[in-house]
Amino acid sequence: EVQLVQSGAEVKKPGESLKISCKGSGYSFTSYWIAWVRQMPGKGLEWMGIIYPGDSDTRYSPSFQGQVTISADKSISAAYLQWSSLKASDTAMYFCARRTGTYHFDFWGQGTLVTVSS
Amino acid sequence: QTVVTQEPSFSVSPGGTVTLTCGLSSGSVSTSYYPSWYQQTPGQAPRTLIYGTNTRSSGVPDRFSGSIIGNKAALTITGAQADDESDYYCVLYMGSPLFGGGTKLTVL
Repeated sequence: EVQLVQSGAEVKKPGESLKISCKGSGYSFTSYWIAWVRQMPGKGLEWMGIIYPGDSDTRYSPSFQGQVTISADKSISAAYLQWSSLKASDTAMYFCARRTGTYHFDFWGQGTLVTVSS
Repeated sequence: QTVVTQEPSFSVSPGGTVTLTCGLSSGSVSTSYYPSWYQQTPGQAPRTLIYGTNTRSSGVPDRFSGSIIGNKAALTITGAQADDESDYYCVLYMGSPLFGGGTKLTVL
C-alpha cells in the first residue's frame, strides 16, 4: 500500500528555522516526483515545488523560490521542506503529494500544520 | 501570468447534476494540460478524483466524470449526494502544476 506519512504539527516563533518531512512507503521512492503544496488558513492549494528523489532534481514555483528549500534523502525514503527563518505568513497546512507520469498527484500525505506566532 | 479559473461556489440539490469548470485567464484548456480534479473536505488531505482529463482515480464512483467542454476542463457530478459537499480543485500541467482557486460545492 502506497503511503506518504508527514511529520507532526509544529509551533514556532518568527525567525526560527524548521524542517518538516514526508516519508514514502509501499513503492519505489526514487521513481516518483514528490511535490509540496501549501494551504493557508481558509484558502486554496498552492504548488510550492517538486523533487525527484532519484537524483534530487528540484524545481520551485516562482512564488516560493528562495523562500524554502526542498530536499530528499533516498536512503530513508524521505522528502523535506525547510525554512531558515520563519514568518507569521508561513502559518499554513503543508501537504506532500506523489506526482505520476501523467502529471497528476495520486497519493497525498496527511498534512503538517505549521503555526508561526510570537 | 496565467491564472487557472474556477467558480468560487456552486450549489446543487441532492440527486441533481452539477458541472464545475476549470479555465484559463488566457487561452483554452486542452487535454495536453492533463487536467486533474481533487476533492477536499475541511481538515482533510485532498483526494484525487479525475486525472488525464477523464480517467477516474481508483475507488472514485462513476457519478464523477471529467471532460473538456468548450475551452474549459469540466467535472460533472451526476446524482449529487450530501457527502459530495466539499471543495473541488482542478490542476493544469503547464510545465509545472497550476492549481485553480477551488470551487466550494454546497449540496442542499
